[in-house]
Amino acid sequence: KAGVTQTPRYLIKTRGQQVTLSCSPISGHRSVSWYQQTPGQGLQFLFEYFSETQRNKGNFPGRFSGRQFSNSRSEMNVSTLELGDSALYLCASSLADREYEQYFGPGTRLTVT
Amino acid sequence: GQNIDQPTEMTATEGAIVQINCTYQTSGFNGLFWYQQHAGEAPTFLSYNVLDGLEEKGRFSSFLSRSKGYSYLLLKELQMKDSASYLCAVKPRYGGATNKLIFGTGTLLAVQP
Repeated sequence: KAGVTQTPRYLIKTRGQQVTLSCSPISGHRSVSWYQQTPGQGLQFLFEYFSETQRNKGNFPGRFSGRQFSNSRSEMNVSTLELGDSALYLCASSLADREYEQYFGPGTRLTVT
Repeated sequence: GQNIDQPTEMTATEGAIVQINCTYQTSGFNGLFWYQQHAGEAPTFLSYNVLDGLEEKGRFSSFLSRSKGYSYLLLKELQMKDSASYLCAVKPRYGGATNKLIFGTGTLLAVQP
């Protein structure tokens, strides 16, 4: 069974640009969550989707947005990039009926210059 | 407020036992998780506690005391491959279903020969 996949794995962008990251959950998983990981702050919750609906949102500015498609794949978008957005962006998926166990993807390493 | 504290770094010897502590203060409680993250890799699920007591899984055990807002992860018979960051995370209780986790900043464990 394939794990959670994220594309691209590495990305370099310039301040002011926007970026879209993609996450494909494990087959059959309907819940996808996104986290930002930085050395100082650790993993911080961005948002969560279930059956194409945003179920929860973290304390990030409106520049961070996301969506989920009918096949459970999810994308997140960051507009007007800032240097502080440089981080590892992780997504995690889980089965609807075993929501305590989340499986993380390898992450997208975003560097903003 | 929501706060999760765990030591930043720990060092232990191969073959020994190490205990990584985690204290938390969150808005409601719906479970405590431990994840392992090797450098440059995705976090992987280790354990889940929702009731007080000890959960054992092979060389790893996790303990929870909800009244004290306290958990620990116990690693026995340490191996070099156990060198990793160990993340404590709490699922807060909300009105609806959610997979949102609040993470501590992680404990970097170095296992020495």
